Amino acid sequence: LAKTTQPISMDSYEGQEVNITCSHNNIATNDYITWYQQFPSQGPRFIIQGYKTKVTNEVASLFIPADRKSSTLSLPRVSLSDTAVYYCLVGDSGNTGFQKLVFGTGTRLLVSP
Amino acid sequence: DAGVIQSPRHEVTEMGQEVTLRCKPISGHDYLFWYRQTMMRGLELLIYFNNNVPIDDSGMPEDRFSAKMPNASFSTLKIQPSEPRDSAVYFCASSPSDRDGVNTEAFFGQGTRLTVV
Repeated sequence: LAKTTQPISMDSYEGQEVNITCSHNNIATNDYITWYQQFPSQGPRFIIQGYKTKVTNEVASLFIPADRKSSTLSLPRVSLSDTAVYYCLVGDSGNTGFQKLVFGTGTRLLVSP
Repeated sequence: DAGVIQSPRHEVTEMGQEVTLRCKPISGHDYLFWYRQTMMRGLELLIYFNNNVPIDDSGMPEDRFSAKMPNASFSTLKIQPSEPRDSAVYFCASSPSDRDGVNTEAFFGQGTRLTVV
């Protein structure tokens, strides 16, 4: 099972770009990298998923280097409402391709005015 | 779609009682997951189903825990008998699969906050 390591917490200010890096040295060939966001008293919410290079959607970008041993979630121009816990997950696909979503401790992002 | 619906939102029960948590996944999703979240252990995957069939229940902590999915639109997680250490927020999530059968984005419900006294 690929283990992920990410910073416990990060601080930022409104309008800044935030980059959260996750390391996953044991990522397997079939594993995808997925990021979730969780607000207090709510279930996690999917942000973005990627396999290699760069993926961008309306809320974030995900950068994955060629060796795939790490990934960086980039949040452009954060606002106070982006204060949340961000989880990096690597699917434990094994031979089935199923992405087993195992959550780590996450990164607690605090955005200040 | 209303999203993943869990009930009840809150449950307080006495030790030794049976507790049943319910989940209605998003229509058309063929994967269903049960998670438990506590401050000490974070989010733990308890069990997941694919097309109503339990695939991996290795995360179920003890035999006191059981989960069923009698049809594509309903799942239950039962704890019998309940203990104070079962107090946690229990999340249900569902996910569609892509054309290769691989699960994609998981949608989580609002969770059930269980307190066992």
